[in-house]
Amino acid sequence: EPEVTQTPSHQVTQMGQEVILRCVPISNHLYFYWYRQILGQKVEFLVSFYNNEISEKSEIFDDQFSVERPDGSNFTLKIRSTKLEDSAMYFCASRTALNTEAFFGQGTRLTVV
Amino acid sequence: GDSVTQMEGPVTLSEEAFLTINCTYTATGYPSLFWYVQYPGEGLQLLLKATKADDKGSNKGFEATYRKETTSFHLEKGSVQVSDSAVYFCALRARSGAGSYQLTFGKGTKLSVIP
Repeated sequence: EPEVTQTPSHQVTQMGQEVILRCVPISNHLYFYWYRQILGQKVEFLVSFYNNEISEKSEIFDDQFSVERPDGSNFTLKIRSTKLEDSAMYFCASRTALNTEAFFGQGTRLTVV
Repeated sequence: GDSVTQMEGPVTLSEEAFLTINCTYTATGYPSLFWYVQYPGEGLQLLLKATKADDKGSNKGFEATYRKETTSFHLEKGSVQVSDSAVYFCALRARSGAGSYQLTFGKGTKLSVIP
């Protein structure tokens, strides 16, 4: 069964460093998403991406965040200068078309120290 | 804004016990409602959904009914198994924008089923 794959499963980074979280969505999917869950809190929407541009973003998704689909298969989330409060589980999701459900990856746990 | 409140965990049950995980929501209009499940080491998987009032979503023995009058979508299963041990997330998707797929999640409820 096709699945969304995220790497790495766990990343530790120092405060102020740049980090790139990687996702490989399902191959025929067109819409891509990032969500995050800070430990003990709710899963929160960050951004949606379609046709090589951001279609929606939340207040959390400030100038420190960016997304890219560099090569037609990967979908990345970059945090330019990580802060302690960026520590969270980050989930990638993708779906094929309107009115279909999204498939989620297993998440990347980011720890900023 | 939209919000989802679900029962705090963790919940520990014996095998074959009855499960209820409460979920209530606040949203404008008529959202679609979902339950997602996350098994250890895996991603979020859609368990069931309901798109309008009084719809019942069901899958793998789990059920939830969209109750508009109580703004609830409680998850139930008559007889849980050890393999049901996971974290369960209630979520809603507001009806906004043709391309919108912004899910609003609850905090998640961890279920442990012991033999």
